Amino acid sequence: DVKVTQSSRYLVKRTGEKVFLECVQDMDHENMFWYRQDPGLGLRLIYFSYDVKMKEKGDIPEGYSVSREKKERFSLILESASTNQTSMYLCASSLSGGRTDTQYFGPGTRLTVL
Amino acid sequence: GDSVTQMEGPVTLSEEAFLTINCTYTATGYPSLFWYVQYPGEGLQLLLKATKADDKGSNKGFEATYRKETTSFHLEKGSVQVSDSAVYFCALSDPGGADGLTFGKGTHLIIQP
Repeated sequence: DVKVTQSSRYLVKRTGEKVFLECVQDMDHENMFWYRQDPGLGLRLIYFSYDVKMKEKGDIPEGYSVSREKKERFSLILESASTNQTSMYLCASSLSGGRTDTQYFGPGTRLTVL
Repeated sequence: GDSVTQMEGPVTLSEEAFLTINCTYTATGYPSLFWYVQYPGEGLQLLLKATKADDKGSNKGFEATYRKETTSFHLEKGSVQVSDSAVYFCALSDPGGADGLTFGKGTHLIIQP
């Protein structure tokens, strides 16, 4: 079974702090994704990566950056956290990015910014 | 751009009732269509998918048929259980395949005993 793990289930940070959210997948998938989930808005794509050191902006990249130094690991970085970044963050991976590919999700990190 | 529209709920049903959650989409090209389920406190799990017109995806008693003529992918189950209580998301893939999924806003389903 594909396993996608995220470093924390719950995280509380203060405004202005730099925040790192880590995601690791164990199935040698090429593609990895970061989404945020908010009530009434569903899931929105922040960034994705289709290869090591490659990244592409999604629909809402402002205020975020990402890093993919190794194939299995994809990090989401909030350079200076703000209260409007309080949300559930979900990481996903897929085998090769084809249109029929299934994305496999981690359990999520619920981030609160005070 | 691509978009997915689904009923938001909450949808409340009694156990053993028939379930339909509507999903319609707008997309260029020929996307694949997915239903994901999120149980309380968990991430999303794939429930079923269909990759071309008239395909039917099925899993755990749930079914959905890819209807290109009506741009729909409605989720159905003949007899729901309390354990089906969850949030259900309809999603489509970018026809080019490289980008992330486009999700609907989710439908919260509550099944009462």
